[in-house]
Amino acid sequence: EAGVAQSPRYKIIEKRQSVAFWCNPISGHATLYWYQQILGQGPKLLIQFQNNGVVDDSQLPKDRFSAERLKGVDSTLKIQPAKLEDSAVYLCASSSGTGTGNEQFFGPGTRLTVL
Amino acid sequence: AQSVTQLDSQVPVFEEAPVELRCNYSSSVSVYLFWYVQYPNQGLQLLLKYLSGSTLVKGINGFEAEFNKSQTSFHLRKPSVHISDTAEYFCAVSEGNTPLVFGKGTRLSVIA
Repeated sequence: EAGVAQSPRYKIIEKRQSVAFWCNPISGHATLYWYQQILGQGPKLLIQFQNNGVVDDSQLPKDRFSAERLKGVDSTLKIQPAKLEDSAVYLCASSSGTGTGNEQFFGPGTRLTVL
Repeated sequence: AQSVTQLDSQVPVFEEAPVELRCNYSSSVSVYLFWYVQYPNQGLQLLLKYLSGSTLVKGINGFEAEFNKSQTSFHLRKPSVHISDTAEYFCAVSEGNTPLVFGKGTRLSVIA
């Protein structure tokens, strides 16, 4: 079974530019998560989707970050404009259900460097 | 609010030696507990989880963890490590349908 796919794997931009990341979850997984992992820290949830609806976006900096999952399958996360502190690895994960007991499967991540 | 403390940021250990990676959590309610492993340039992979039942949980790759409610701990152990176990290990906690909260991670380095 194919895993969670993410692209690009690496991105370098200058501050104030915009950037977008793409995620394709495991086929059939209704729940999709975006995490931010800053160097030296554990992942922090940014947003959780159930199909194409938002379940939790309480930690998403909505003034600059946006995410969508229009058809309930793949998803994009956008940052506009980027700040230096946005440098991090952005991880996408998916699971078959919404409960925390359901295993989350993670993609390889996109490493963003903001100069 | 729940939080996770991983007491060691780095743990070096010789090959075939035992290892324990420590994790403590704070929460006022019942919790679910997880250990994830992250190999270089890869995403996280679930090692094991505690949802309920037996406090000793066995996972993949020979790892196990014990839930200790009185100590609010969920330490990860392996009796004999291999070079291939070199990775970053994350402990995470959830209070049910709340998001996973991860610790800062412990880098395990296995020395030949």
